[in-house]
Amino acid sequence: AQSVTQLDSQVPVFEEAPVELRCNYSSSVSVYLFWYVQYPNQGLQLLLKYLSGSTLVESINGFEAEFNKSQTSFHLRKPSVHISDTAEYFCAVTRTNFGNEKLTFGTGTRLTIIP
Amino acid sequence: DAGVIQSPRHEVTEMGQEVTLRCKPISGHNSLFWYRQTMMRGLELLIYFNNNVPIDDSGMPEDRFSAKMPNASFSTLKIQPSEPRDSAVYFCASSRDRRAQHFGDGTRLSIL
Repeated sequence: AQSVTQLDSQVPVFEEAPVELRCNYSSSVSVYLFWYVQYPNQGLQLLLKYLSGSTLVESINGFEAEFNKSQTSFHLRKPSVHISDTAEYFCAVTRTNFGNEKLTFGTGTRLTIIP
Repeated sequence: DAGVIQSPRHEVTEMGQEVTLRCKPISGHNSLFWYRQTMMRGLELLIYFNNNVPIDDSGMPEDRFSAKMPNASFSTLKIQPSEPRDSAVYFCASSRDRRAQHFGDGTRLSIL
């Protein structure tokens, strides 16, 4: 079975400052990794994903995440945040091989941007 | 392309009533997932289907909850009888493979 840990439940950051949201996972098999974002009163939207290849993946709105297999981490970063980045961010993992394809989610990190 | 469509967006009903939530997945997607989100318990997977067949229903809280997927373009989640503790936001998601799940905007359910 897989598990995901997001240690920070809330992260306040000043506008235009950098941010890192931490995600660690545990799995006995190889996994795909995801970050989802949830804006108020909306569903979850896929932000970025690691499937294979380059360990650094980027989103269209300036976020990036790096897959670190030795540290079993997939931290999300942005060099300069904007007010519009205020949302809840969920890290998730699923196994790559056949079988139950459900996603295992972390408990979420609420990012608040301070003007 | 249309995304995952859920209805209704909001539902307020009295305890004991039957509640039916509906979901239309993205065309061509062969897996469908029902989630529940609350402040206390976060995001929970209730059940998921692959090719219209229930694969994992271990998250369904109790017999009051049931889900069906009669065809590839429609699924329902039913609660009968409903209780106040069922109040939550219910999400439906669909996927074509393991590479991404696409979520609907959810149904906000309030049981009085």
